[in-house]
Amino acid sequence: AQSVSQHNHHVILSEAASLELGCNYSYGGTVNLFWYVQYPGQHLQLLLKYFSGDPLVKGIKGFEAEFIKSKFSFNLRKPSVQWSDTAEYFCAVSEGNQGGKLIFGQGTELSVKP
Amino acid sequence: GAVVSQHPSRVICKSGTSVKIECRSLDFQATTMFWYRQFPKQSLMLMATSNEGSKATYEQGVEKDKFLINHASLTLSTLTVTSAHPEDSSFYICSARPLAVQQETQYFGPGTRLLVL
Repeated sequence: AQSVSQHNHHVILSEAASLELGCNYSYGGTVNLFWYVQYPGQHLQLLLKYFSGDPLVKGIKGFEAEFIKSKFSFNLRKPSVQWSDTAEYFCAVSEGNQGGKLIFGQGTELSVKP
Repeated sequence: GAVVSQHPSRVICKSGTSVKIECRSLDFQATTMFWYRQFPKQSLMLMATSNEGSKATYEQGVEKDKFLINHASLTLSTLTVTSAHPEDSSFYICSARPLAVQQETQYFGPGTRLLVL
């Protein structure tokens, strides 16, 4: 069965620090990759997604992610975080022929200190 | 655009009662909706895939007779937790996938917090 692994359970950063959150998946076929964010008390929002094409994907709020097929990875990055980025971040993967079923990683809680 | 609503946002019920949760896509049609369960400080676990006009597909370990799913229209799916027990207390989240070719993105509802006493 496919699995998604996020390496960091809780990340604490100061404002303006750079961010990289790791995500690895186990499926070897065609995949669609997503990063979702869940701000405190709010619902999941899509940050960015990768279906095909340029492996470097830019999303909202200055986030980007790079798909490295050989490493089965889709790490999320932001050069300079803000206090408002404090949230839970989820990596998710869907297989190309599974009708859109999303498999989520465990989530990474990001706390940004002002 | 792409707004998904859930009702109710929270519900408290007695053990043994049934609870219905609605998931609506407000500004788009969705042939497929998904139901997830999220425990505190944990990830979302897919429970079932709901397809309009057909039976839902349940993930392994999810009791279909306990978690009844109905997808009666292109904008509404319901999850009924039958004979709820305290261990069913959780955060239930739905998502909807727009009716579009090759559209894999899901849009999530705000979730329903269920507390069974």
